[in-house]
Amino acid sequence: AQKVTQAQTEISVVEKEDVTLDCVYETRDTTYYLFWYKQPPSGELVFLIRRNSFDEQNEISGRYSWNFQKSTSSFNFTITASQVVDSAVYFCALSEGVAFTGGGNKLTFGTGTQLKVEL
Amino acid sequence: DGGITQSPKYLFRKEGQNVTLSCEQNLNHDAMYWYRQDPGQGLRLIYYSQIVNDFQKGDIAEGYSVSREKKESFPLTVTSAQKNPTAFYLCASSPDRDFDGYTFGSGTRLTVV
Repeated sequence: AQKVTQAQTEISVVEKEDVTLDCVYETRDTTYYLFWYKQPPSGELVFLIRRNSFDEQNEISGRYSWNFQKSTSSFNFTITASQVVDSAVYFCALSEGVAFTGGGNKLTFGTGTQLKVEL
Repeated sequence: DGGITQSPKYLFRKEGQNVTLSCEQNLNHDAMYWYRQDPGQGLRLIYYSQIVNDFQKGDIAEGYSVSREKKESFPLTVTSAQKNPTAFYLCASSPDRDFDGYTFGSGTRLTVV
């Protein structure tokens, strides 16, 4: 069975600090996808990144960066120079590499990390 | 703009009542999903549908029902058999190929009064 663990329930930082959100996953699949989503107070989940299991290159997008390490089954997310607008719940998710017959994939979510960025 | 529309945003239900949550998408996605979110528990899959007129139970389907009569629509009914329905409900969709994650709606917050 697939499992995603986000051990950090809540993190509080002061603006401009760097912060890393941890994600550890379990799967028996050799092909899989990893995701990060952001959920602001409005409730809608916003897609941040997808990474497939064959691509271990780190990704950087502005102040956001992701570190994927298959050896430790981790896909950590770092926000550099955090801002108040980064305050949200962040979810890590895992999907099987083989789609459902007929289309679509099941995503297994972690329990989320609440990030609070204060002035 | 393409997206997913969930309505209503807030819903109040009396004990013993069935209520239906609406989910409509104009992204031409084949697959649609319903998730339930509770504090500290992340998102849990209720039902999913890969094509019209077909749907499958997820991890917590008891007390819920769905229909998929049109590609664009995937309504969720919370029945009186659901013992703890107060939660935040999220609808999502995805294409059948080149899976790039879900597109989510803005959610419906259901409260039992």
